[in-house]
Amino acid sequence: KAGVTQTPRYLIKTRGQQVTLSCSPISGHRSVSWYQQTPGQGLQFLFEYFSETQRNKGNFPGRFSGRQFSNSRSEMNVSTLELGDSALYLCASSLVKTGDEQYFGPGTRLTVT
Amino acid sequence: GQSLEQPSEVTAVEGAIVQINCTYQTSGFYGLSWYQQHDGGAPTFLSYNALDGLEETGRFSSFLSRSDSYGYLLLQELQMKDSASYFCAVRLGGSQGNLIFGKGTKLSVKP
Repeated sequence: KAGVTQTPRYLIKTRGQQVTLSCSPISGHRSVSWYQQTPGQGLQFLFEYFSETQRNKGNFPGRFSGRQFSNSRSEMNVSTLELGDSALYLCASSLVKTGDEQYFGPGTRLTVT
Repeated sequence: GQSLEQPSEVTAVEGAIVQINCTYQTSGFYGLSWYQQHDGGAPTFLSYNALDGLEETGRFSSFLSRSDSYGYLLLQELQMKDSASYFCAVRLGGSQGNLIFGKGTKLSVKP
């Protein structure tokens, strides 16, 4: 089976712009979670989607949003980018909702200048 | 609030055994997981403890004690390829259910 894929892998944006990141889960996985990873804060949970419904949301501002499509693919959007949004954004999929065994994609490295 | 504490760095030699501890302060969770992440790579799942006790998967073992709010990952017969960061994570209970990660422990294996 193919693993979790994320596009794009690298992205450079300027402050104030918006960005959309994409994640394709492992075939058959219906749960997709998003995380932000930074050297200072580590891995922080953004949100989880299961069957097109957002189940959980982390402590991030409303500028961070996401959605899931009927084929389980997911996108996350960050509007009005700030310098502090520079991070590695990781997507993980699991077979069941809030699965304990999560499979991570390679991440999208976002740099905001 | 919820938090997980891990040592930031651990160094060991090839062939040795190393234990990475994880202490947590969280009110109610389903289980404790461990993930490995090599530099530049994605986290990969290592193990999960739903119940107290020891879980063994090859050279890796993980332990959980809910009464002590403590868990650990034990790596035996260390190899150079085990040099990576290791994260503990808990899945919150109740209406949340999201994963909370520790800050990670960077393991360096020396020859």
